[in-house]
Amino acid sequence: EVQLVQSGAEVKKPGESLKISCQGSGNKSTKYWIAWVRQMPGKGLEWMGITYLDDSDVIYSPSFQGQVTISADKSTTTAYLQWSSLKASDTGVYYCGRPRGGIVEDWGQGTLVTVSS
Amino acid sequence: DIQMTQSPSSLSASLGDLVTISCRASQNIGTYLNWYQHKPGKAPKLVIFGASNLQTGVPSRFSASGSGTDFTLTINSLQPEDFATYYCQQDYSSPYTFGQGIKLEIK
Repeated sequence: EVQLVQSGAEVKKPGESLKISCQGSGNKSTKYWIAWVRQMPGKGLEWMGITYLDDSDVIYSPSFQGQVTISADKSTTTAYLQWSSLKASDTGVYYCGRPRGGIVEDWGQGTLVTVSS
Repeated sequence: DIQMTQSPSSLSASLGDLVTISCRASQNIGTYLNWYQHKPGKAPKLVIFGASNLQTGVPSRFSASGSGTDFTLTINSLQPEDFATYYCQQDYSSPYTFGQGIKLEIK
């Protein structure tokens, strides 16, 4: 079983950059995917994209392509989600998960990102 | 993208009730359909995978069925811990889209 630990809550201003993380532990293998899922305030879950830890391959949801960058560091079994210029509409909770196909059994605890001037 | 639509739009029920939540896919997804339970401040929890398979550790009062485009999640004899938001999700093709979620509230 893989445990996923996400970085802590962030408060940022519009236009700032941000990189949040999701570190997998409990399994020495890097041959698994990490997914990112967004939940905006009062809204539902949205699939953003996935990255393969072993080779950093990334598949974006079209809705998020160009809006965020998903990456991975095999050496630290960590996946990242980053923004180059945050907007207020990026406010939300971001979850990472380990999908088997698209089935997510293991989840991180979530990272709250607040973007406000 | 495959669109997932859940109904009803909202749901209130009492302890001990039987409730059914529906989910419709915009195209045939076979049985590539999963259900998650989500409580405020917590990570989502996988309840059902492959349309009808109960995830390990999930109580047997949860059941689900369906294939193609129409799916249902049934909770028999509601317990206090079952009040949450439930999402369906297709994993037939990427992006693995979720339904809008149904909040199950106490009546």
